[in-house]
Amino acid sequence: NAGVTQTPKFQVLKTGQSMTLQCAQDMNHEYMSWYRQDPGMGLRLIHYSVGAGITDQGEVPNGYNVSRSTTEDFPLRLLSAAPSQTSVYFCASSPVQGYEQYFGPGTRLTVT
Amino acid sequence: KQEVTQIPAALSVPEGENLVLNCSFTDSAIYNLQWFRQDPGKGLTSLLLIQSSQREQTSGRLNASLDKSSGRSTLYIAASQPGDSATYLCATNLSGGYQKVTFGIGTKLQVIP
Repeated sequence: NAGVTQTPKFQVLKTGQSMTLQCAQDMNHEYMSWYRQDPGMGLRLIHYSVGAGITDQGEVPNGYNVSRSTTEDFPLRLLSAAPSQTSVYFCASSPVQGYEQYFGPGTRLTVT
Repeated sequence: KQEVTQIPAALSVPEGENLVLNCSFTDSAIYNLQWFRQDPGKGLTSLLLIQSSQREQTSGRLNASLDKSSGRSTLYIAASQPGDSATYLCATNLSGGYQKVTFGIGTKLQVIP
C-alpha cells in the first residue's frame, strides 16, 4: 500500500491564481481531511469528508473548495490564492470515526 | 472550543534519559486522543491512539496515558535515542459523530548523543 499520497510536494503561486492540491489513499478509508500547518499554530482543519459525495467544513474553510467523487481521492481547490494561504497542507485519512489518522507527506505552498 | 496545550515547547535531553511530554486539553468530552511524531519537512506519523475509555497505551519504548477528568495526557519515552529527535504532537477528537480534531503546537525534542 502507498498509504496517503499528495501532489505536488512544492508549489509557488501568484496572488489570484487557482490550483488543486491532490490527495489519494489506497486503504479504502471512508474519512478524509485536509489540514494546514502554520508556524506557531497547531494543524487546523480546512474541510473533511465522511464518505464519497459527503463533505463538510472545518475550522478554516474560506478560500478552499473540496469534493469527493470517489473513496480514494479528495482534492483541495484554492479558488483565488492569497498570501495568507501560504502554508503546509496535509491530507489525512482514517477507516472510521474514532480510529487513528494516517497522514500524507504534505504540500508546501507559497503564494506571492 | 477545544484548546490543546503542549508543554514544554522544546526539550533537549542526553541520550538514554527517560522523559515525559505533556498535553492538556480544555474539553474533557473527547472521543480519543492521538500522539504523533513529525520529522522536519515530513508528514505526521501516528504513535499511539487512546480511546476515551482507556487509561493508557504502550508501544515499545513509548507509553501514553490519559486522564480525562483532569484534561491531561502524557507521553513517556524510555531510554531516549538520537533517532527520537522530532516534534511530538497530540490531538484530541471530540465526540459528536464527525471527525473534528484539535492539535497542539507540539514539543520539539532533541536527544543529544
